[in-house]
Amino acid sequence: KAGVTQTPRYLIKTRGQQVTLSCSPISGHRSVSWYQQTPGQGLQFLFEYFSETQRNKGNFPGRFSGRQFSNSRSEMNVSTLELGDSALYLCASKRRDSERFSGANVLTFGAGSRLTVL
Amino acid sequence: LAKTTQPISMDSYEGQEVNITCSHNNIATNDYITWYQQFPSQGPRFIIQGYKTKVTNEVASLFIPADRKSSTLSLPRVSLSDTAVYYCLVGGVLTGGGNKLTFGTGTQLKVEL
Repeated sequence: KAGVTQTPRYLIKTRGQQVTLSCSPISGHRSVSWYQQTPGQGLQFLFEYFSETQRNKGNFPGRFSGRQFSNSRSEMNVSTLELGDSALYLCASKRRDSERFSGANVLTFGAGSRLTVL
Repeated sequence: LAKTTQPISMDSYEGQEVNITCSHNNIATNDYITWYQQFPSQGPRFIIQGYKTKVTNEVASLFIPADRKSSTLSLPRVSLSDTAVYYCLVGGVLTGGGNKLTFGTGTQLKVEL
């Protein structure tokens, strides 16, 4: 079956602009989470969505937002881009919440969207 | 959330067994231990998960002592293609559902000929 699909794979923006990234989870997966990866900070959790509701949020400013649609596809938006927002943005999906403990950490990641802010 | 500590880097040669240890002193009763592998410019890939004792699959083994305060990922007979960053994760479901996984710095494994 198809994996997690992220679009676009690469994009270049300038400071002050905004960007929207898209993530299509594996069919049947209802949980989608987003991560930011930079050389200096490593992998940092942004937020998680489940059934169109944001369930958890990391320590990022309000410029970072997201949403999830009824088909489980998710988007994240970054407004007023800063140079420090340059990163690989990763999306991951998880089958369902009923795997309460054993499946909680088993995520399938997409290839990521590489954002460069000039 | 349990914090994890791993070595920053490790070097090995092809054909050797590599063991990467992760410390997680404040692991909770409901927490599972999960390992991921990441290649440059790709998303992390699930390798193995365990709760206690030993788990083995086609690519790795995971050893967890009785106190569960650490775990060791064992990669048998590594090859050049195993050069990657390996992350240890500890966590479970948060109150209210969902999880908020925190990845540590990971261990950069370099395999040479």
